[in-house]
Amino acid sequence: NAGVTQTPKFQVLKTGQSMTLQCAQDMNHEYMSWYRQDPGMGLRLIHYSVGAGITDQGEVPNGYNVSRSTTEDFPLRLLSAAPSQTSVYFCASSPSAGGELGYTFGSGTRLTVV
Amino acid sequence: SQKIEQNSEALNIQEGKTATLTCNYTNYSPAYLQWYRQDPGRGPVFLLLIRENEKEKRKERLKVTFDTTLKQSLFHITASQPADSATYLCAPRYSSASKIIFGSGTRLSIRP
Repeated sequence: NAGVTQTPKFQVLKTGQSMTLQCAQDMNHEYMSWYRQDPGMGLRLIHYSVGAGITDQGEVPNGYNVSRSTTEDFPLRLLSAAPSQTSVYFCASSPSAGGELGYTFGSGTRLTVV
Repeated sequence: SQKIEQNSEALNIQEGKTATLTCNYTNYSPAYLQWYRQDPGRGPVFLLLIRENEKEKRKERLKVTFDTTLKQSLFHITASQPADSATYLCAPRYSSASKIIFGSGTRLSIRP
């Protein structure tokens, strides 16, 4: 039981490049979400999904796309990377949207945009 | 919009003492509130959940309280140990929302 797996762990992009951050969970959780964490600003919700085929925007969705074709996977796409997207990105999952059993987080992807 | 405030200054505690962290929220009370621990370079780890109608919740050396009058949750670690040093995040969930929002966290340092 691997939990939530994020790849890559580190990435450097040039401004304007695109890339996909991968997130996979093996706990059959319905709810998955993406956060970014910046110093002094805590975790901010980018996008979330309450089940396969259903996604919605969080607090800071601009510049990011998501899709949820399977229960297990929830990739985050950066369309045209900007220095402001330099951050640590966390994927989290939970059995339900309410999160009464807590969220399980991945170990994060540290992204630098130059 | 809802705001969550955690003490942004680091909290330094002598080993063996009780550490108390504060989470304040504005406007209406959340349906429940979660606490997480985050170590450097790692994702947050879920610790405890307390519901609006619960005054107190305990788990081993951890205790969480929820005061809807003060609009505050307190997180206590008794008999603190250096291994408890980490950043602690509070995360309320409002019944009208399908997502949880996080405070910015308080860094706790336990010195031997």
